[in-house]
Amino acid sequence: GAVVSQHPSRVICKSGTSVKIECRSLDFQATTMFWYRQFPKQSLMLMATSNEGSKATYEQGVEKDKFLINHASLTLSTLTVTSAHPEDSSFYICSASRGTGGTYEQYFGPGTRLTVT
Amino acid sequence: AQTVTQSQPEMSVQEAETVTLSCTYDTSESDYYLFWYKQPPSRQMILVIRQEAYKQQNATENRFSVNFQKAAKSFSLKISDSQLGDAAMYFCAYRRVRSSNYKLTFGKGTLLTVNP
Repeated sequence: GAVVSQHPSRVICKSGTSVKIECRSLDFQATTMFWYRQFPKQSLMLMATSNEGSKATYEQGVEKDKFLINHASLTLSTLTVTSAHPEDSSFYICSASRGTGGTYEQYFGPGTRLTVT
Repeated sequence: AQTVTQSQPEMSVQEAETVTLSCTYDTSESDYYLFWYKQPPSRQMILVIRQEAYKQQNATENRFSVNFQKAAKSFSLKISDSQLGDAAMYFCAYRRVRSSNYKLTFGKGTLLTVNP
């Protein structure tokens, strides 16, 4: 149990276009989802936390108008990178949690590699 | 703010040997969780082991065990009988329990190489 999927696994887009990444909890209801960004050989950097039905909470320095997060249901959250530029190229990882408290486990998706040309 | 420090960017071990990865953290909280995650070349994050701060007993999961020293704020991971499949990036992580801010704080990671 506790499987999280991401789609697509890889995406290439042209500079100036927008791209959407989906994160789904396949066998549980995810009250909270997290979005991370990871550069090569670096650690995971939390971008935002989203609770189902609420606006996402963004970490300091993350542009909320550029990285749009929607958590419309208990099994789906989406990250849309708007007007993408080459510097947005990165590995994006989501995680999902059954609850909103610190005792709930986070389950990670397999990640999405975004390349902006 | 909580910080997690992994002072070993890279480590190597011979197959079947034992290796210990270091992690220290800084917090003013008394109740929290500590984790070790493994990220193999596939980049899928895999939970290796979890330690609850209020438990004095060190967590173990098969070949993986931790040495949790709460007063020293140290949380090292020992991998026994290392296998080729253990080669990966290992991240130490911290999470508060009784707070609305329950995000995971990760260290910078340790790249483990297993030599045959």
